Amino acid sequence: DVKVTQSSRYLVKRTGEKVFLECVQDMDHENMFWYRQDPGLGLRLIYFSYDVKMKEKGDIPEGYSVSREKKERFSLILESASTNQTSMYLCASSSPGKDTQYFGPGTRLTVL
Amino acid sequence: AQSVTQLDSQVPVFEEAPVELRCNYSSSVSVYLFWYVQYPNQGLQLLLKYLSGSTLVKGINGFEAEFNKSQTSFHLRKPSVHISDTAEYFCAVSDHKLIFGSGTRLLVRP
Repeated sequence: DVKVTQSSRYLVKRTGEKVFLECVQDMDHENMFWYRQDPGLGLRLIYFSYDVKMKEKGDIPEGYSVSREKKERFSLILESASTNQTSMYLCASSSPGKDTQYFGPGTRLTVL
Repeated sequence: AQSVTQLDSQVPVFEEAPVELRCNYSSSVSVYLFWYVQYPNQGLQLLLKYLSGSTLVKGINGFEAEFNKSQTSFHLRKPSVHISDTAEYFCAVSDHKLIFGSGTRLLVRP
């Protein structure tokens, strides 16, 4: 069965802290994605990766960075968390091409 | 740039009634189309997808969607909803990246 896991379901951090969100998939997928979800805005793509050590900016990369050292793991980093980064963060993975993305359960991040 | 419009932010409906959730997309090239569902406090789960072939696509939980190229629409339907269908539904178009609509919250009342 397809599985995408995220390190935390809920996270509370303070402004200025460095935050790491981890995502692991067990499907040997090449593609991995990070989205944030906000009410009324749907899902917006932050960063994605088509291969190990490769990354591309999505639609809203400002304030974020990513790391992909291994195929199965894709990390989202908030270098200095701000209150406007309070959101639900969703990780997804897929095979090459346009096909289905599989999502993790999400991490609800609150920045105080 | 491609975009997806979900015309209704919330759709209230009584149990066992039919429902249609509307989705329109803008694209001049062939695309793949998806509907995802998000139950409370969970990630997104694929309901159905259109890649090619028959324009009527059947998915899980009794949902189906019809691809209409001339109207650039991909509306989601279910003939009889259950309380357990209460969730948020997202339409998405794929051209190597997924572009999501803003979501429609389906609220099924007893």
